Amino acid sequence: QKEVEQNSGPLSVPEGAIASLNCTYSDRGSQSFFWYRQYSGKSPELIMSIYSNGDKEDGRFTAQLNKASQYVSLLIRDSQPSDSATYLCAVSYSSASKIIFGSGTRLSIRP
Amino acid sequence: GAGVSQSPRYKVAKRGQDVALRCDPISGHVSLFWYQQALGQGPEFLTYFQNEAQLDKSGLPSDRFFAERPEGSVSTLKIQRTQQEDSAVYLCASSLAASASYEQYFGPGTRLTVT
Repeated sequence: QKEVEQNSGPLSVPEGAIASLNCTYSDRGSQSFFWYRQYSGKSPELIMSIYSNGDKEDGRFTAQLNKASQYVSLLIRDSQPSDSATYLCAVSYSSASKIIFGSGTRLSIRP
Repeated sequence: GAGVSQSPRYKVAKRGQDVALRCDPISGHVSLFWYQQALGQGPEFLTYFQNEAQLDKSGLPSDRFFAERPEGSVSTLKIQRTQQEDSAVYLCASSLAASASYEQYFGPGTRLTVT
């Protein structure tokens, strides 16, 4: 079992709709959770961090964390074609010396 | 302000050559991380520095890989006797915090191709 699991996609969402990206993790001691966006040929760009259970909103993005279920998600409202990218979920290892990335979900926003 | 910079951006090496990849973190950032990213995969952790101390090198795939950060700022990842399986993008990230528990910011990466 991988430590951080994501559906590889592609996830196709119509423009203007809500895109929902999901991630599960195996380390119950994990404390910090991150979502990165990566365009093809570019490096990961941090879009959200979340540290406590519940929702955290930033513009069109909402991160949701449920530590009991070991589940973190990212919602993108009013999806735009520019949101088409790979979204990487990352979870801090309990030793706090590294973060572990999932393989990413490819998101495609269709006009 | 300036972000994380890496050089070279692209490197082609013949099998068996040694390579050195440089990372210049965001000024004042305490933590520095190296990752290896294969096509279609997420970044894989290689090593972590807190200032000049290498606190975790558990991700280095073999003893051909060596990293240093002698003055607690610029870091170099060295790969000796490169092999074809070393072909990947090498990413450097830095963080203001003295752990991996807070935001990390990535450089543009170095794409290494071993022929």
